[in-house]
Amino acid sequence: QQQVKQSPQSLIVQKGGISIINCAYENTAFDYFPWYQQFPGKGPALLIAIRPDVSEKKEGRFTISFNKSAKQFSLHIMDSQPGDSATYFCAAGNSGYALNFGKGTSLLVTP
Amino acid sequence: NAGVTQTPKFQVLKTGQSMTLQCAQDMNHEYMSWYRQDPGMGLRLIHYSVGAGITDQGEVPNGYNVSRSTTEDFPLRLLSAAPSQTSVYFCASISATNYGYTFGSGTRLTVV
Repeated sequence: QQQVKQSPQSLIVQKGGISIINCAYENTAFDYFPWYQQFPGKGPALLIAIRPDVSEKKEGRFTISFNKSAKQFSLHIMDSQPGDSATYFCAAGNSGYALNFGKGTSLLVTP
Repeated sequence: NAGVTQTPKFQVLKTGQSMTLQCAQDMNHEYMSWYRQDPGMGLRLIHYSVGAGITDQGEVPNGYNVSRSTTEDFPLRLLSAAPSQTSVYFCASISATNYGYTFGSGTRLTVV
């Protein structure tokens, strides 16, 4: 059973637009929700993370929105740039060392 | 530079062969994990460790063994390689204070 469901599978956004990726989870015990960015041939790198005691966290152009009652969280990339083109993974867990990952979203930002 | 080192970067095995994927970290993290990444499947947890001498199974442990004799090293052993184990394998070292993951650059394994 997939613990974290991510959508869309792929996304094309024009430069300067907003990229939005959504995730939903089942286990209400999860208390850590990170997003990872992965470029081809590289390992995933932590982008931004949130805990359920806040509804939003912003770091530069990247924002996580968290809805505890709906068990959903999303990543917003403002002013998307071609350099943001990568695969993005959401994850969720309650122990940190055993995260459950979504299947990933391939983002392409066109010039 | 501090980080996670995985070796080898590429490997081709024949069905039935065994091998060990190496993972070493120099950040003094207690937690380490192994994931496999397959197209359209995201990252799936194979095994993890919360400290030297302590390991546990993740979502897809069958066909793999791990050990953690030191804090720095967390090798993954394939006992008898199968084509279904063709994948990209990532080792991660995890901070116990903020749960931040540092991934290695991966090992691309092909089993023929």
